[in-house]
Amino acid sequence: DTGVSQDPRHKITKRGQNVTFRCDPISEHNRLYWYRQTLGQGPEFLTYFQNEAQLEKSRLLSDRFSAERPKGSFSTLEIQRTEQGDSAMYLCASSLGQGVTSPLHFGNGTRLTVT
Amino acid sequence: AQTVTQSQPEMSVQEAETVTLSCTYDTSENNYYLFWYKQPPSRQMILVIRQEAYKQQNATENRFSVNFQKAAKSFSLKISDSQLGDTAMYFCAFPSTGANSKLTFGKGITLSVRP
Repeated sequence: DTGVSQDPRHKITKRGQNVTFRCDPISEHNRLYWYRQTLGQGPEFLTYFQNEAQLEKSRLLSDRFSAERPKGSFSTLEIQRTEQGDSAMYLCASSLGQGVTSPLHFGNGTRLTVT
Repeated sequence: AQTVTQSQPEMSVQEAETVTLSCTYDTSENNYYLFWYKQPPSRQMILVIRQEAYKQQNATENRFSVNFQKAAKSFSLKISDSQLGDTAMYFCAFPSTGANSKLTFGKGITLSVRP
């Protein structure tokens, strides 16, 4: 069990640029979640996949955000035309099972700063 | 709407003492799970403990235990014999819409353990 890994750990970008983050879940985990966390707040749900299918997206996920999980393995989260309000920690988590009752295993997150 | 409320933003406790972190929630579901997650400074979030709502017995994991009051919709975390390594943000989490959906997190409590 190598844990959930996220890349990069930090990303600084200028407003208007596109960024892409990657998440590698624990290998046998079928569910993968993306959350966003701002300073001093709890994680806010963005989207989740069961295998390669994206089953739910939050209203927080504007049309500038897109997530994929090809082949049900790693996932990418892309933000187009970044805005300063996108600055946050982006957390990926994975779990095994059909429901949310299975514990989530989190990665270390990608901290995005939009200048 | 299902909500999770953590009304104490910060708490402090002396090493070796006991501290209780509060959480309340609102739901119309009858069977569900509740979780406490811990996020140490600059480290990944990990599961501390979970409680199944249909179980009468409060969950316990070593020094961590819960006081689950289903009728009052209260789910507090008790940390006994506090250690310096317990310094972290603690988040109460609850499935938003049924057991197969995502977790909604509270805003978190920052716990500082004093030597």
